[in-house]
Amino acid sequence: DIVMTQSPDSLAVSLGERATINCKSSQSVLYSSNSKNYLAWYQQKPGQPPKLLIYWASTRESGVPDRFSGSGSGTDFTLTIGSLQAEDVAVYYCQQYYSTPYTFGQGTKLEIK
Amino acid sequence: EVQLLDSGGGLVQPGGSLRLSCAASGFTFSSYAMSWVRQAPGKGLEWVSVISNSGGSTYYADSVKGRFTISRDNSKKTLYLQMNSLRADDTAVYYCARDPIFNGYFDYWGQGSLVTVSS
Repeated sequence: DIVMTQSPDSLAVSLGERATINCKSSQSVLYSSNSKNYLAWYQQKPGQPPKLLIYWASTRESGVPDRFSGSGSGTDFTLTIGSLQAEDVAVYYCQQYYSTPYTFGQGTKLEIK
Repeated sequence: EVQLLDSGGGLVQPGGSLRLSCAASGFTFSSYAMSWVRQAPGKGLEWVSVISNSGGSTYYADSVKGRFTISRDNSKKTLYLQMNSLRADDTAVYYCARDPIFNGYFDYWGQGSLVTVSS
């Protein structure tokens, strides 16, 4: 199974500042035949289901604010929130879909400093 | 508007069975693969199972293989998860989720159905 490890486990950032969350996979999730990274990011607020933010490592889901961006390739990925808003307080998860079983990172809890 | 309505959760004794349902609306259900993802109380996300749009292909996490069965009825636009031989560590909120590319990411999620396994 591919193990996904996020860092940090928790993060406190001031409003308007940049937040960066890292995700590392135990093996590459880059599929050579199409040059796509099989990596997604989700946001989960308390009492709600997860919400898709980013797929193919860097493609923003429709309706997601452009302050959210994804980058990286192979085994190392980053979710960046360009200017933190109060409504961004949540737990963020990365997920690989390169192979089953699909696996998620342990989550990163983002709070306001 | 895409909607996924999870139902069927509840309290069950260890070794018991339960069937979850997920009623879909707002999209062509038969065109999409569907998955179940669970979340134990206070914990992270764990993928459970996926089924292709036709129902012809299914995959399971090792933790549920042989005990859980995913299925779908495209005429009723409903996804199912039959859970047998339930254990305490199956206690979780179970979400159904739409998989737009089969074996991929999840673009819409249900609100979740709580399954508690306890004597």
